[in-house]
Amino acid sequence: TQLLEQSPQFLSIQEGENLTVYCNSSSVFSSLQWYRQEPGEGPVLLVTVVTGGEVKKLKRLTFQFGDARKDSSLHITAAQPGDTGLYLCGGATNKLIFGTGTLLAVQP
Amino acid sequence: DTGVSQDPRHKITKRGQNVTFRCDPISEHNRLYWYRQTLGQGPEFLTYFQNEAQLEKSRLLSDRFSAERPKGSFSTLEIQRTEQGDSAMYLCASSFQRGEAFFGQGTRLTVV
Repeated sequence: TQLLEQSPQFLSIQEGENLTVYCNSSSVFSSLQWYRQEPGEGPVLLVTVVTGGEVKKLKRLTFQFGDARKDSSLHITAAQPGDTGLYLCGGATNKLIFGTGTLLAVQP
Repeated sequence: DTGVSQDPRHKITKRGQNVTFRCDPISEHNRLYWYRQTLGQGPEFLTYFQNEAQLEKSRLLSDRFSAERPKGSFSTLEIQRTEQGDSAMYLCASSFQRGEAFFGQGTRLTVV
């Protein structure tokens, strides 16, 4: 059974702090995708990582794919209240499955 | 193309009734996924199609759930004899092969 585990499950921080969210699995994925979801809406794709060891940056967000393509991390620098939401990692093999999610709250 | 669309956005139904949701994927996408999501949790895989073929269905899915994609374009998800435990957000996503998946806004089901 393929499983994606995210940590931490909940994170409440002050504006301006840095944070890292982790996505881990025992399975190898052809790609990993990160999404952000706001209440009552569908997840919105942030980035896809494909190559082991790959690092992608999206403004204050840095995404890394593990060398063995089993894990990934999302680092946010100087978090802002607009970063609040549920962060999801999704792994693709024959189908797309998701992690448990990290609920981030950034307090002003 | 306006992306993945789902209809309805919200559905309130009485326990025991049948409900059907529709998903229109991005037109050039051949894969279509259905997920169920409860508050604060990640989407739980239900089933997926490649073109009109249903390639996998979650073992957690009871026989009350059925999905179709008759012409390889839009898809429907039907829940028969709804139960209160079926209350959740139902999400549809589409992709081209194993590429990036894009989600609709979801259908929020409330069973009373």
